Amino acid sequence: SQELEQSPQSLIVQEGKNLTINCTSSKTLYGLYWYKQKYGEGLIFLMMLQKGGEEKSHEKITAKLDEKKQQSSLHITASQPSHAGIYLCGAYRNSGGSNYKLTFGKGTLLTVNP
Amino acid sequence: DGGITQSPKYLFRKEGQNVTLSCEQNLNHDAMYWYRQDPGQGLRLIYYSQIVNDFQKGDIAEGYSVSREKKESFPLTVTSAQKNPTAFYLCASSKGLAGQTYEQYFGPGTRLTVT
Repeated sequence: SQELEQSPQSLIVQEGKNLTINCTSSKTLYGLYWYKQKYGEGLIFLMMLQKGGEEKSHEKITAKLDEKKQQSSLHITASQPSHAGIYLCGAYRNSGGSNYKLTFGKGTLLTVNP
Repeated sequence: DGGITQSPKYLFRKEGQNVTLSCEQNLNHDAMYWYRQDPGQGLRLIYYSQIVNDFQKGDIAEGYSVSREKKESFPLTVTSAQKNPTAFYLCASSKGLAGQTYEQYFGPGTRLTVT
């Protein structure tokens, strides 16, 4: 089963509109990462959230971590065409001893129409 | 500029041939990773390495092999045993494998097509 569920799977918004992408974990979250990917390119690191209630912002993108709900949200204010892409959330899982593996959600495809 | 390079960007091979994908980093990171990305399936971990001359299987290692002879390099070989090799392959690195505190940095990817 998928450990990280992202919603929605895809999203089309008009330029200037606000939007929210959610990432829900089936297991306790100890930390969560948000990445952005342009089609056919590598992932760009956006933000890392480690503590429950933590909130971080970068330009017009804000991410929050709600550990009680095992959920994180990514909010974009006044979207622009440059925000278009695939947004992926990732969380570390213990893979034995002190080793951890980063598990990703399937991604949310964001389209911003001018 | 520090970063991760993958080459080539596009790779075409005939079925039955082994192919090696290159990944180099100059970030002085200890840990390196290989992921495979398929439409609708997200990223899946193939192999990872914490230190030179050491590596571990990820979730889908069958049909793949790796080596870590140098800290900067982590090449991935897609063997003829891999049943569905056509995919987008991403290499990543991080300072260490201690988990929560180390973000992974990704290369630009290699799109492999096997016909």
